[in-house]
Amino acid sequence: NAGVMQNPRHLVRRRGQEARLRCSPMKGHSHVYWYRQLPEEGLKFMVYLQKENIIDESGMPKERFSAEFPKEGPSILRIQQVVRGDSAAYFCASSGQKNTEAFFGQGTRLTVV
Amino acid sequence: AQTVTQSQPEMSVQEAETVTLSCTYDTSESDYYLFWYKQPPSRQMILVIRQEAYKQQNATENRFSVNFQKAAKSFSLKISDSQLGDAAMYFCAYRRAYSGGGADGLTFGKGTHLIIQP
Repeated sequence: NAGVMQNPRHLVRRRGQEARLRCSPMKGHSHVYWYRQLPEEGLKFMVYLQKENIIDESGMPKERFSAEFPKEGPSILRIQQVVRGDSAAYFCASSGQKNTEAFFGQGTRLTVV
Repeated sequence: AQTVTQSQPEMSVQEAETVTLSCTYDTSESDYYLFWYKQPPSRQMILVIRQEAYKQQNATENRFSVNFQKAAKSFSLKISDSQLGDAAMYFCAYRRAYSGGGADGLTFGKGTHLIIQP
């Protein structure tokens, strides 16, 4: 039973390019969460999605960031026109229905050069 | 808004000794969950222990135990018989209870870097 899978593990983008981060939840999980971790910081909640629905995006920056969790396929966190300040580790977590525990992927480290 | 505070940026302990990591939180909710996560250099977030706020009994998982003081909003982690493999960043996290399906997002503290000295 595979855990939460994130890819790529490392992503390098030039300023102004787009970054797409993918997350496949654990089998049977229908709830996905994205977090961002800046250097020397804890994880900060960004967005909570269920299949085809955004439930809570209170932690998402208002511009350039978007997330989706389609009926088929992985959840995608998309960052348009990246800037140096977007450099961070981005973690995805998933949970099942009425489950108190979220399981984390290994994260994607985004570096903007 | 909920906040989680870890006041110890770094802690050091001798191998086989006991160490306690501190965590305080602020919330107006009465029902919630508290967690300790471990993040080794691999960056993988590993759940160490979980506490439900409605349970008075402190959670225990092998060498890991918590001291949950609901009135004081304190949630410390005790690691007994420290091992070299315990070296990592430790994050305290809060999540409010949710009556629907799934779980709300976690609020994390800034972490404590635990060093184990051989």
